[in-house]
Amino acid sequence: QVQLQESGPGRVKPSQTLSLICTVSGDSISGSSYYWSWIRQPAGKGLEWIGHVYTSGLTNSNPSLKSRVTISVDTSRNQFSLSLISVTAADTAVYYCARGGQSSWPLDYWGQGTLVTVSS
Amino acid sequence: YELTQTLSVSVALGQTARITCGANNIVHKNVHWYQQRPGQAPVLVIYRDTNRPSGIPERFSASNSGNTATLTISGALAGDEADYYCQVWDSSTVIFGGGTKLTVL
Repeated sequence: QVQLQESGPGRVKPSQTLSLICTVSGDSISGSSYYWSWIRQPAGKGLEWIGHVYTSGLTNSNPSLKSRVTISVDTSRNQFSLSLISVTAADTAVYYCARGGQSSWPLDYWGQGTLVTVSS
Repeated sequence: YELTQTLSVSVALGQTARITCGANNIVHKNVHWYQQRPGQAPVLVIYRDTNRPSGIPERFSASNSGNTATLTISGALAGDEADYYCQVWDSSTVIFGGGTKLTVL
């Protein structure tokens, strides 16, 4: 059974960098043909795809966030990570990691999500 | 590319609910559907227009034609009350619909 778990600070100050890690179990990022995605959801609102990474390190991001987002992969630890710079209150959301999200591939496994609040 | 979903749909217990996702020529896209119960992560219920993942009840079905994709929930149960999101891939981007809140009466 594939499982994903987000980890990272629950609070980030405005203008600073939000950093999260997703640890994958039950599948090997290096041996997988899947992409690995980050998605977020502000309270009471819908889902927003942030971006994804492939085992090779190839990434793609939502154009609305592209200038602030870095997604990377650490195959030795079976993890991938998200970095979002210059955060504001608008970046307050539950952040999910998930497997998939490229071409015809759905987001088939999701982490439980982690709430990140941007506040001083 | 924008996906349009009705904000809310109500269905009587045991009846059939239909949730739509509208977009230009969506028939040419692979549509995925997710269920999100309150306080929980989304769960994939339909992938590539009509396919159910393992463990998803047969009550969940879907279709895709023209400018509308439809998720159908037959014999709705109280536990089906949730937000439902459609999703496609377009211009190298994952796009979600705004979500539909299903209320089971």
